[in-house]
Amino acid sequence: QKEVEQDPGPLSVPEGAIVSLNCTYSNSAFQYFMWYRQYSRKGPELLMYTYSSGNKEDGRFTAQVDKSSKYISLFIRDSQPSDSATYLCAMSARAGGTSYGKLTFGQGTILTVHP
Amino acid sequence: ETGVTQSPTHLIKTRGQQVTLRCSSQSGHNTVSWYQQALGQGPQFIFQYYREEENGRGNFPPRFSGLQFPNYSSELNVNALELDDSALYLCASSTPGTGELFFGEGSRLTVL
Repeated sequence: QKEVEQDPGPLSVPEGAIVSLNCTYSNSAFQYFMWYRQYSRKGPELLMYTYSSGNKEDGRFTAQVDKSSKYISLFIRDSQPSDSATYLCAMSARAGGTSYGKLTFGQGTILTVHP
Repeated sequence: ETGVTQSPTHLIKTRGQQVTLRCSSQSGHNTVSWYQQALGQGPQFIFQYYREEENGRGNFPPRFSGLQFPNYSSELNVNALELDDSALYLCASSTPGTGELFFGEGSRLTVL
């Protein structure tokens, strides 16, 4: 079993839809949770960063973490064609210090928003 | 402020050869991490360098090695290339305590 599971999709939605992306994980040591967006042939770009359980909102994006269920979500409101990309969840047990760089990623969900 | 830059962007090698990939970290970032991303998969952690020393390694064999230089730039070396080494190699830089990794565009390696 992988430490982080993410439905690879693909997911296709009409413009303006609410998108829900999810990951589950098995390692209870994970405390820091991130969502990255990766356009084709580009490096991942950090969208959201959350510590422990709770919600975080940034514009059209909302990240939710439920550590009791080992489940994280990313919601995209009013989705746009420019949101079409691969979305990767990532987690780590520690932030800061010299071990932060070790992120464990999900497989990525391919999202297409059509006009 | 310049971002993370990687070179080369694409390269083709044959089995058994050796390859060196290079990364310049974002200004002010002293920690560099390398990831391998196979097609259709999420990135997998190879190793991290901090103050010119390897600090943390993922499940990769010793033929994957690296260096970090005093200016915080870094190299990833892979010896005895195998077909399964074909992937996008990503470099990410960070500063301890910030919680953010900034990725480069990657180097796409094809092993024939």
